Amino acid sequence: QVQLVQSGAEVKKPGASVKVSCKASGYTFTGYYMHWVRQAPGQGLEWMGWINPNSGGTNYAQKFQGWVTMTRDTSISTAYMELSRLRSDDTAVYYCAREGCSSTSCYLDYWGQGTLVTVSS
Amino acid sequence: DIQMTQSPSSLSASVGDRVTITCRASQSISSYLNWYQQKPGKAPKLLIYAASSLQSGVPSRFSGSGSGTDFTLTISSLQPEDFATYYCQQSYSTPRSFGQGTKLEIK
Repeated sequence: QVQLVQSGAEVKKPGASVKVSCKASGYTFTGYYMHWVRQAPGQGLEWMGWINPNSGGTNYAQKFQGWVTMTRDTSISTAYMELSRLRSDDTAVYYCAREGCSSTSCYLDYWGQGTLVTVSS
Repeated sequence: DIQMTQSPSSLSASVGDRVTITCRASQSISSYLNWYQQKPGKAPKLLIYAASSLQSGVPSRFSGSGSGTDFTLTISSLQPEDFATYYCQQSYSTPRSFGQGTKLEIK
């Protein structure tokens, strides 16, 4: 069965960086785009971007360009999301999610369990 | 960028009620519209994709409709486990924007 298992919670100081991992199993890792979505406490879902695990190509939301980096290691079926220059308002749960596609739409059909990143001095 | 607007932002209903949530896109997105359910402390779960296709394993009391800019999610007979927050998301273009969410609460 498809599973996305994320790394554990992190506490970081303002200005630091964080790297969250997302290990995929149960499907061909390179066959599906991986998206990252975050959710601040009590807030809605915010799309950050995606990575094509096959080519390594990325597409970031404009808000995150220049300070998010999405990478992957196909040898261990793992995607990574690194956010730099952290601020307190980056405190959120970060999710990875696989994108599946039908003939008429694409959708996030499997999600990781989420990784809480807390930014605090 | 495409903006997604849901209404209402919150809704109180009773078990057995029929409930409808609306999502509007700022421009036409054809049928590139998905619905997710999120319960507290959990990851979102895909309910409906391509505006009206039911994801495998999702109860048939959930249905979706619409195309272009206006979409609806309907729950035909609310069950206790349906009280959650619901999000729409467009997959027509990037950024893949979400609606702000609709919190469905027990009356």
